[in-house]
Amino acid sequence: QVHLVQSGAEVKNAGASVKVSCKASGYTFTSYFVHWVRQAPGQGLDWVGTINPHGGSTHYPQKLQGRVAMTRDTATSTVYMELSSLRSEDTAVYYCARGPWAGQFDYWGQGTLVTVSS
Amino acid sequence: QSALTQPASVSGSLGQSITISCTGTSSDIGAYNYVAWYQQHPDKAPKLMMFNVSSRPSGVPDRFSGSKSDNTASLTISGLQAEDEADYHCGSYTTSSTRIFGTGTKVTVL
Repeated sequence: QVHLVQSGAEVKNAGASVKVSCKASGYTFTSYFVHWVRQAPGQGLDWVGTINPHGGSTHYPQKLQGRVAMTRDTATSTVYMELSSLRSEDTAVYYCARGPWAGQFDYWGQGTLVTVSS
Repeated sequence: QSALTQPASVSGSLGQSITISCTGTSSDIGAYNYVAWYQQHPDKAPKLMMFNVSSRPSGVPDRFSGSKSDNTASLTISGLQAEDEADYHCGSYTTSSTRIFGTGTKVTVL
């Protein structure tokens, strides 16, 4: 069965960076894109970016360009999402999810709470 | 690119039917059939309930159905059950190769 297991909660100061991991199992790691989605407290879902584990190409929303970076380690089937120059508005639960390039997110990680304190 | 528009809340009695709308533009919902719906219970990760507008993943009850007309997608829950009480989010692929989600709808079962 497909599992995406994320790293634990993080508390960071404003201006710092955070790196969240997402370890995949139960499927061929390089056959599906991995997407990151965040949810601020009491808010809706917000797309953070996408990485293709086959080759490592990435695609980010314009508003996060320059602050977000996604990488992968095919040896451990793990994807990483690093967000830098953290601001209070980056406080959210960050989810990784599996899916095709353009379609649905069919499996989700359990979420990682990132708290940015000013 | 603003979020897709959903009603903040929808309610219905046990056994009734409700419909949640999701309104976008010709650059997202109107452009492709890559519309999905996600159910989210409190403090849980979202769960895929519908994809490609009207396809149900394995294990999702057939009382959930989806449709789309122009720039608006809809999710209908027939025969509302207590366990359907949750937040529902729509999502779409866009012509800019990005992803956009809805504002979210809280479903209450009376």
